Amino acid sequence: DAKTTQPNSMESNEEEPVHLPCNHSTISGTDYIHWYRQLPSQGPEYVIHGLTSNVNNRMASLAIAEDRKSSTLILHRATLRDAAVYYCILRRDGSNTGKLIFGQGTTLQVKP
Amino acid sequence: GAGVSQSPSNKVTEKGKDVELRCDPISGHTALYWYRQSLGQGLEFLIYFQGNSAPDKSGLPSDRFSAERTGGSVSTLTIQRTQQEDSAVYLCASSLITGSGNTIYFGEGSWLTVV
Repeated sequence: DAKTTQPNSMESNEEEPVHLPCNHSTISGTDYIHWYRQLPSQGPEYVIHGLTSNVNNRMASLAIAEDRKSSTLILHRATLRDAAVYYCILRRDGSNTGKLIFGQGTTLQVKP
Repeated sequence: GAGVSQSPSNKVTEKGKDVELRCDPISGHTALYWYRQSLGQGLEFLIYFQGNSAPDKSGLPSDRFSAERTGGSVSTLTIQRTQQEDSAVYLCASSLITGSGNTIYFGEGSWLTVV
């Protein structure tokens, strides 16, 4: 699976939007972009995923660059509960293995 | 229960002892994964099961680590002759089937401390 690059940490103020970037310059045409997050002392949880088009769900939005070499996870109004480590991961379509390879992710701090 | 269940939630063991960690995946999920996370570190893939296929053991750090999955459901991760560096949280996850778009659901983890 192709590698992703994320900033080690970011800060946000409560109730403000947060844009978490991810670079994946070696992405292939069949790679899906997945985001998971891990709250303190919990297992990771799914946030969102996409292939080419921007995606929205109740948790977040995913903006994918036209060349797909980068993407941005958008939290529209950060809450204290959104403080977590956010992982950007690529998964190749058709892969016969389900393992996700996690990088170090971005640690998001939300200030009240 | 609706989620992935792991037990024990916490385990303290003496160096050299064997430990078993159990995972009950979400009902109907055919894929099951084990990960390890040391304090302050990222998630390390250990092993993956999919249906009746041979498991992907490529992440197991040594032959002291093994896992089995009985009846396509419950899985047990066994660590023999535990060492202090085995101290970590062991996370189990499951998903319906493999494939790039399928969500993987994680349990809360089993926290292992080797003293």
